[in-house]
Amino acid sequence: AQKITQTQPGMFVQEKEAVTLDCTYDTSDPSYGLFWYKQPSSGEMIFLIYQGSYDQQNATEGRYSLNFQKARKSANLVISASQLGDSAMYFCAMREAPFGSYDKVIFGPGTSLSVIP
Amino acid sequence: EPEVTQTPSHQVTQMGQEVILRCVPISNHLYFYWYRQILGQKVEFLVSFYNNEISEKSEIFDDQFSVERPDGSNFTLKIRSTKLEDSAMYFCASSDPRGLVQRMETQYFGPGTRLLVL
Repeated sequence: AQKITQTQPGMFVQEKEAVTLDCTYDTSDPSYGLFWYKQPSSGEMIFLIYQGSYDQQNATEGRYSLNFQKARKSANLVISASQLGDSAMYFCAMREAPFGSYDKVIFGPGTSLSVIP
Repeated sequence: EPEVTQTPSHQVTQMGQEVILRCVPISNHLYFYWYRQILGQKVEFLVSFYNNEISEKSEIFDDQFSVERPDGSNFTLKIRSTKLEDSAMYFCASSDPRGLVQRMETQYFGPGTRLLVL
């Protein structure tokens, strides 16, 4: 079963507009972390933002914020004031902490974002 | 800002040959990982490594794969006899132990090694 779902394979946004990339996850563990990574066409994987399952407030990092809705198991990434350099693949990822298996990060299929001038 | 580095950036090899992919994790990190991403597909976990031993591995990480920390800075992934389906981008990652209580350390990724098996 899919642990991380990203329902938008591709998205377009006008430069300077905000965009929301969707992510839903599935876990029965009460302790987990959620991550967003950016992968530009050059291929590297760039960490953007982290949200812990026990964090009371939504995470923010500059123009990135995470809309964390725990009951709905969603962790959407919001990019404000899009820039041309934001065009990339975006991966939502989760790290569970079940007993004996706490190391790996599970990635979603990704959303390709294109910023239009 | 410290970063994970990987060499080579690209590697082309013949099927059946051995390859060694090299990584230098961030210096104060203690947990190390390898992931791979077949072209156009999602990133898949291969193996995690802590305290000089494998802490977890996926079903992809069979007997053809091995990892090693030969010295205090390098972390290597060896593929003993490459197959066509090993062609992928291989990412090394490392994380900081300070999040130990919840084990929620962020993993920082290297730029990847693009492996092509012919």
